[in-house]
Amino acid sequence: GAGVSQSPRYKVAKRGQDVALRCDPISGHVSLFWYQQALGQGPEFLTYFQNEAQLDKSGLPSDRFFAERPEGSVSTLKIQRTQQEDSAVYLCASSPGLANEQFFGPGTRLTVL
Amino acid sequence: EDQVTQSPEALRLQEGESSSLNCSYTVSGLRGLFWYRQDPGKGPEFLFTLYSAGEEKEKERLKATLTKKESFLHITAPKPEDSATYLCAVQPRISGGYNKLIFGAGTRLAVHP
Repeated sequence: GAGVSQSPRYKVAKRGQDVALRCDPISGHVSLFWYQQALGQGPEFLTYFQNEAQLDKSGLPSDRFFAERPEGSVSTLKIQRTQQEDSAVYLCASSPGLANEQFFGPGTRLTVL
Repeated sequence: EDQVTQSPEALRLQEGESSSLNCSYTVSGLRGLFWYRQDPGKGPEFLFTLYSAGEEKEKERLKATLTKKESFLHITAPKPEDSATYLCAVQPRISGGYNKLIFGAGTRLAVHP
């Protein structure tokens, strides 16, 4: 795989359901980021991993949002008890070091009904 | 508060009509400024990184420049395939040493034949 992949590409959830979004970063990339992008807006930072360590979760909107990267590669963003305001595109990005450019995946579009 | 403002929100050009997109920023010390291109339904694609005032970078019909308060993305003789949303992002110097980005809302560019 040459780039960052995300799955599913689209997810429809009923309000109150739990969802899990997966990110496969570029192999060997140390840094992994999650962003949330509302329609017509730029991406907003959610959380950052350096290998398996979650060093910054200051952007997570509430305690319903949880992210993990247990083995320092694949990451999962979990949203519990989804609300309509959680509807957005969730983007994952990885970079080889700490301050390099980020390579983005295609995103997961989450719609909460 | 760190902030990025892009203008115009949308721009319509005729093929071959050169123009510039603006990115104004306020940040607690700038480590780097990034330009990305985003096509509908896709993740942002990296274009340029600029680190210091006076720096310029070019790629095909695009040239990015940086001052202490803003950056410009100049598009020379655009083609329809340049149609996309162009995102500007800043990396604050105080960001734990990693590449936490703050994005603007983007400029939607449409180039018509």
